[in-house]
Amino acid sequence: DQQVKQNSPSLSVQEGRISILNCDYTNSMFDYFLWYKKYPAEGPTFLISISSIKDKNEDGRFTVFLNKSAKHLSLHIVPSQPGDSAVYFCAAAEVNDYKLSFGAGTTVTVRA
Amino acid sequence: ETGVTQTPRHLVMGMTNKKSLKCEQHLGHNAMYWYKQSAKKPLELMFVYSLEERVENNSVPSRFSPECPNSSHLFLHLHTLQPEDSALYLCASSETSGGSYYEQYFGPGTRLTVT
Repeated sequence: DQQVKQNSPSLSVQEGRISILNCDYTNSMFDYFLWYKKYPAEGPTFLISISSIKDKNEDGRFTVFLNKSAKHLSLHIVPSQPGDSAVYFCAAAEVNDYKLSFGAGTTVTVRA
Repeated sequence: ETGVTQTPRHLVMGMTNKKSLKCEQHLGHNAMYWYKQSAKKPLELMFVYSLEERVENNSVPSRFSPECPNSSHLFLHLHTLQPEDSALYLCASSETSGGSYYEQYFGPGTRLTVT
């Protein structure tokens, strides 16, 4: 039973524009959410996170928004750069649990 | 070496072979994880070790056997695998307490092909 879903397997965006990646979850016990970025032949690397007590967290060009009532979060990348081309995974954890549940990933391609 | 390393990076094995995957973390973390990533699927958590004790085994077939001899090293022993076991196997580590314990650090993975 997949508790974290990324329904868009791919996204193509022009350099300089905004990339919006979406993630939905079903487990109401999730209280911490993370985004990971993965390049080919490398492991995923942590990008940004958000606690359930917040609805927005910003780090440079990356902003994560959380809508708890809709069980939905999104990652905004603005402006998108060619180096942002990668697979992005959404992940979530329950209260006081260090195990993560991952989505299937969204492949972002930034066009020059 | 820094971060999380995995060897080998690529492995091709027959269904009757026995091989092992190795993971080493240089971050001083006290939890280590094995994940399986198949194409277009979520990362599947296989095993978790916390303070060298196995705390999670997600119904993984017995042909996969983990070993954690100390907090820095993690192995995945493989025997009589099936072609559907072909995937990217990722190792990760993290703390298990404190403010950033959800943040897992991943190795580059081992691309396994079972023929």
